[in-house]
Amino acid sequence: SQQGEEDPQALSIQEGENATMNCSYKTSINNLQWYRQNSGRGLVHLILIRSNEREKHSGRLRVTLDTSKKSSSLLITASRAADTASYFCATDLRYNNNDMRFGAGTRLTVKP
Amino acid sequence: EAQVTQNPRYLITVTGKKLTVTCSQNMNHEYMSWYRQDPGLGLRQIYYSMNVEVTDKGDVPEGYKVSRKEKRNFPLILESPSPNQTSLYFCASGASSYNEQFFGPGTRLTVL
Repeated sequence: SQQGEEDPQALSIQEGENATMNCSYKTSINNLQWYRQNSGRGLVHLILIRSNEREKHSGRLRVTLDTSKKSSSLLITASRAADTASYFCATDLRYNNNDMRFGAGTRLTVKP
Repeated sequence: EAQVTQNPRYLITVTGKKLTVTCSQNMNHEYMSWYRQDPGLGLRQIYYSMNVEVTDKGDVPEGYKVSRKEKRNFPLILESPSPNQTSLYFCASGASSYNEQFFGPGTRLTVL
């Protein structure tokens, strides 16, 4: 069964706007990771946030984690057409941290 | 160049004909895993391996086998493929499950 669920399933914005994607999960975790996938290709790691962290930044990316609500958000600021991709959150389960679970992803389209 | 390679990239086969998809990484990673990706379902973990000779079932192991005789290789074996195993398959590796995962380019399998 999937651990993470991304919301929304699809998001379409104009270039320059910010994009926010959310991820909810069901059980306690050690870490949460966000990945990006261009159509049909392998996933690329974006950022990892540990369960004792609340916010992390990497370039135009900002990730937050709320363990009390079992949710995370990924914010992409000043989006570009090249940001068009699917974004996935992945969690490792606190009590079986060799088992990684991915959500179904958010499909982001950035229109030029 | 640090990478995960998969072969073949594309495969069309018939029901019941045994096949193997190879996966190799050159980063000396201990953790390796296999996923399948289907529309609307995201990535689902098939098997993972913490180290040589140690493998465990993921979310959807039925119909698949794996082996980890060497650290760098983690082949996925379909003893008797069926049409419901038509999917996009990804191999990934990382220092551990809670570190960044590096994904291969994917293998698109069609079982007729």
